Order: sequence, then C-alpha cells, then structure tokens
Amino acid sequence: GQQLNQSPQSMFIQEGEDVSMNCTSSSIFNTWLWYKQEPGEGPVLLIALYKAGELTSNGRLTAQFGITRKDSFLNISASIPSDVGIYFCAGRADSNYQLIWGAGTKLIIKP
Amino acid sequence: DAGVTQSPTHLIKTRGQQVTLRCSPKSGHDTVSWYQQALGQGPQFIFQYYEEEERQRGNFPDRFSGHQFPNYSSELNVNALLLGDSALYLCASSSFTGTPSSYEQYFGPGTRLTVT
Repeated sequence: GQQLNQSPQSMFIQEGEDVSMNCTSSSIFNTWLWYKQEPGEGPVLLIALYKAGELTSNGRLTAQFGITRKDSFLNISASIPSDVGIYFCAGRADSNYQLIWGAGTKLIIKP
Repeated sequence: DAGVTQSPTHLIKTRGQQVTLRCSPKSGHDTVSWYQQALGQGPQFIFQYYEEEERQRGNFPDRFSGHQFPNYSSELNVNALLLGDSALYLCASSSFTGTPSSYEQYFGPGTRLTVT
C-alpha cells in the first residue's frame, strides 16, 4: 500500500538533545497528523495540522504543515527518557477519509 | 471516559480459518476505521464505517469485511486466512462533525493476530 517517506528511520540521541524528523509525500495533503506508538499499544495522537504553514505545539513537541502541502515536520525539544518510542506521520488527501502513514521514526535514548 | 477498546488482545488461527475482531469506539464517536500494521511498518488502511455503511475501502481483498452496529461498535472479519495476514489489527474511532477535527483518529491497543 501507499506510504509516506518518513525520515530518519531511527535516531539515537542523548537525553536533553533536540530531535527533528520529517515526512514527505508525492501528493498534496489537507491534513497531517503525528502519532507516537509504544510497544504493545496503539498509536497515540500528538498533534493535528490542517493548514499549510501551520505551526502547532503540544508541550515540548512542535509540528509544522509544510507550505507545499507535501511535507510535515516534528520537533521534540530537550528529550527525556519517556520520549522513546516510534513516531509516525499520517496524512489525508482531499475527498478522502483514509490516513496514509509513514514507516515511523524510532527514537532511542542513549544511556 | 472509556477510550477505544478492542477484543481479543491476541489470537492464534490456522491458515484457511476465519476470524472476527471487535471494536468499541471512544464515547461520543460515530466513525470506526480499521488498519493492519505489519511488524516494523506503519498502519495500512483497510476500511472505514460510518452510519453502518462502509464509507471507504483501502487496497485489501474481499476476504476482509466488516460491519458497524447501531451502537457504533464494529467488527472486522477475515476469511480464508493466509500466513501474510499475521499482523496487529488496529481500530480507530473519530467523530464526524464536518469540521477538520473529524479526521483526528483515536486508536485502541490492537489485536495481535498470528496465523500458523
């Protein structure tokens, strides 16, 4: 099935570092969503974006809807151990109900 | 306020068998979507149910079917199971309000299906 291009695939970071990840699509999207999934659980919605250029924060997380409407970015500031998990982007095209997903970015905190 | 619930948590089936997975949406939600998530991948959309009708379907064969009940709960049925159907099956609910928040989907913990 169709997937978004999400990068990086994994990140090894030190506690306290900032994290950046992004997602790109060949199609224009009207909605971008960012989720976090931990082992044995379903994805949890972090941030929803609905307009090109929109910048939205949720605590230490900030996400942006790209101007071209074909990409989105997620930043995590001052990472802490509980940030570990897999972060997914998901997008929705106009006149569509389904979400198209990236393959995820696995965040690992170096001891 | 209960979130999305799914049952069973785990299931082991044999090739060729049939399986039914169940989902109860978050309170106040009227729309249910089903996804298949293979190990190491993002979820793949199977279909979405709204007002007891299949509103949109992803690229899955007819062996995958579903149902939505008047109380908005939903079932996913898979017939003639294949080894490749082994995956985590996720149910997500949302509330269709005609506003952008209609597309925010909230997920249950999933059902882990193993086909042997």
